[in-house]
Amino acid sequence: AQSVTQPDIHITVSEGASLELRCNYSYGATPYLFWYVQSPGQGLQLLLKYFSGDTLVQGIKGFEAEFKRSQSSFNLRKPSVHWSDAAEYFCAVGLGPQTGANNLFFGTGTRLTVIP
Amino acid sequence: DTAVSQTPKYLVTQMGNDKSIKCEQNLGHDTMYWYKQDSKKFLKIMFSYNNKELIINETVPNRFSPKSPDKAHLNLHINSLELGDSAVYFCASSQEIGRRYGYTFGSGTRLTVV
Repeated sequence: AQSVTQPDIHITVSEGASLELRCNYSYGATPYLFWYVQSPGQGLQLLLKYFSGDTLVQGIKGFEAEFKRSQSSFNLRKPSVHWSDAAEYFCAVGLGPQTGANNLFFGTGTRLTVIP
Repeated sequence: DTAVSQTPKYLVTQMGNDKSIKCEQNLGHDTMYWYKQDSKKFLKIMFSYNNKELIINETVPNRFSPKSPDKAHLNLHINSLELGDSAVYFCASSQEIGRRYGYTFGSGTRLTVV
């Protein structure tokens, strides 16, 4: 069975500090990988995505993520966090066509708190 | 100009009532989805339509009925509302292969059943 795991339910960082949010997936092949951000009371906004090529992808708002096949991971990073980054972050995977699954599977989310 | 719009944003209703949530996208996407986000923020697919045709129908009570009058609209009708239906419902759309390109989400409808 395929799954998406975000091991950290809640992370607190100081403004200006670096950030890494973890995401692991369980799937027999390389899936399509996404990070979304959900600000309070808002919908989900796509930060970045990966499906082939360079394993380090750049996204919006200064975020980047690195795909590591050997670790089945797609961790999200930001070198310097701003107070406005406080939100819920979701990792999601899309599976290959042979699975017949056209939808995305989401992790359980990581809530980011930023302290001054 | 909102890409995926849902109405209403908030919905408070009594148990046993019937309610609808509307969703419209102006992105020209072929596929639309309904997701339910529970109190723990978990997102679960409910339905998916591709060009007005139902392609995903997860295990949800048959009190929930999606309707897609055209590929730009996907509405969700809920009969006989129960307390457990309280959640945030998100509409999303994607190009045909949503698993590859990702989704564009609406801002959600917070449903509270009292």
